[in-house]
Amino acid sequence: NAGVTQTPKFQVLKTGQSMTLQCAQDMNHEYMSWYRQDPGMGLRLIHYSVGAGITDQGEVPNGYNVSRSTTEDFPLRLLSAAPSQTSVYFCASITSFTGQGARTEAFFGQGTRLTVV
Amino acid sequence: GNSVTQMEGPVTLSEEAFLTINCTYTATGYPSLFWYVQYPGEGLQLLLKATKADDKGSNKGFEATYRKETTSFHLEKGSVQVSDSAVYFCALRSSASKIIFGSGTRLSIRP
Repeated sequence: NAGVTQTPKFQVLKTGQSMTLQCAQDMNHEYMSWYRQDPGMGLRLIHYSVGAGITDQGEVPNGYNVSRSTTEDFPLRLLSAAPSQTSVYFCASITSFTGQGARTEAFFGQGTRLTVV
Repeated sequence: GNSVTQMEGPVTLSEEAFLTINCTYTATGYPSLFWYVQYPGEGLQLLLKATKADDKGSNKGFEATYRKETTSFHLEKGSVQVSDSAVYFCALRSSASKIIFGSGTRLSIRP
């Protein structure tokens, strides 16, 4: 059981280039999210998905696209990289159950450290 | 909207000292509350959680109690170790699909 797998772990892009960050989970979770982590700002939600074919914007969606064609995969696309997108990106897979006493947890990938020059 | 506020770091303590990291939240209803820990170069790991008022989450000597009346979920440990050095994040599950994080508190423990 691999949990959440993110690739690549490191990437350097030139301004204007595009790329896709991959995220896959094998826990059959409906909910998946992408966050970026910047110093002093914690984790900010970029996009999230509540199931295959359904995505929505989070707190900082500009410059990023997502799609969810399968339950397992949730790739994040940078359309035209900018230096402001230099960050560490985390994918999370979240259990479907909520409510008092229910099992509720988010599982994170190891992160992708992206530098845009 | 929903939000999480935690004490700013860095926090530096000596080994075996008592630790408190404050966390307060703003949310409607009864969100689930979490503490996550991030060790250097790694992703976030769930440390503990509480899903209803007055619940106490505990793990690895860390504890936090869900206080609805003060909207708080402070993290405590009676005797910290060097291996506890990490960044700690308070978080809440604001809806079925969203988890909101605080800004993180870096903890450093001196031998």
